[in-house]
Amino acid sequence: SQQGEEDPQALSIQEGENATMNCSYKTSINNLQWYRQNSGRGLVHLILIRSNEREKHSGRLRVTLDTSKKSSSLLITASRAADTASYFCATEATGNTPLVFGKGTRLSVIA
Amino acid sequence: EADIYQTPRYLVIGTGKKITLECSQTMGHDKMYWYQQDPGMELHLIHYSYGVNSTEKGDLSSESTVSRIRTEHFPLTLESARPSHTSQYLCASRRQGGEKLFFGSGTQLSVL
Repeated sequence: SQQGEEDPQALSIQEGENATMNCSYKTSINNLQWYRQNSGRGLVHLILIRSNEREKHSGRLRVTLDTSKKSSSLLITASRAADTASYFCATEATGNTPLVFGKGTRLSVIA
Repeated sequence: EADIYQTPRYLVIGTGKKITLECSQTMGHDKMYWYQQDPGMELHLIHYSYGVNSTEKGDLSSESTVSRIRTEHFPLTLESARPSHTSQYLCASRRQGGEKLFFGSGTQLSVL
């Protein structure tokens, strides 16, 4: 069964607004990663947060991790139309196990 | 853009045909993966490999096979395609000890 579950499944916002996506998982993890997928393309790595970290920033991205609740959130600030894509969380249980992906959140940013 | 390539980009075939989806990477990565992505977006691990002559089954492997004869090449074969195989197939790789995955652009397969 899949490890991660994203919430919401779909999100539609106006350009300039912030977008928040959540991810829950079931087992202990080594790290949690967020990926982006444009329609019909492969996934692109955005940001990684380790199990001993609580928050991480990269440009307009902010990721939080709460291991006690087994959840993470991805915040995209000041969204742009070009941010329109699907966003996935992926968890790694140990260094030698494949990443397990959630079901993704479809983000639409309206200009 | 990552140096990982999948061919063909699109494929339409009839039921019962044998097909091979190609995946190659030029980054020297030891670890390679095949994921199947359904229309609802969920990714399912089909097969993976941690190096030459090493292959492992994922959650959804029963109707396909893989081989890893060279580090850079990880083809996926469907012996007898069925309409239920219609999906997007994504190949990915990462280096030994690496954490993030690099994905190819995918093969969109339609089985009629």
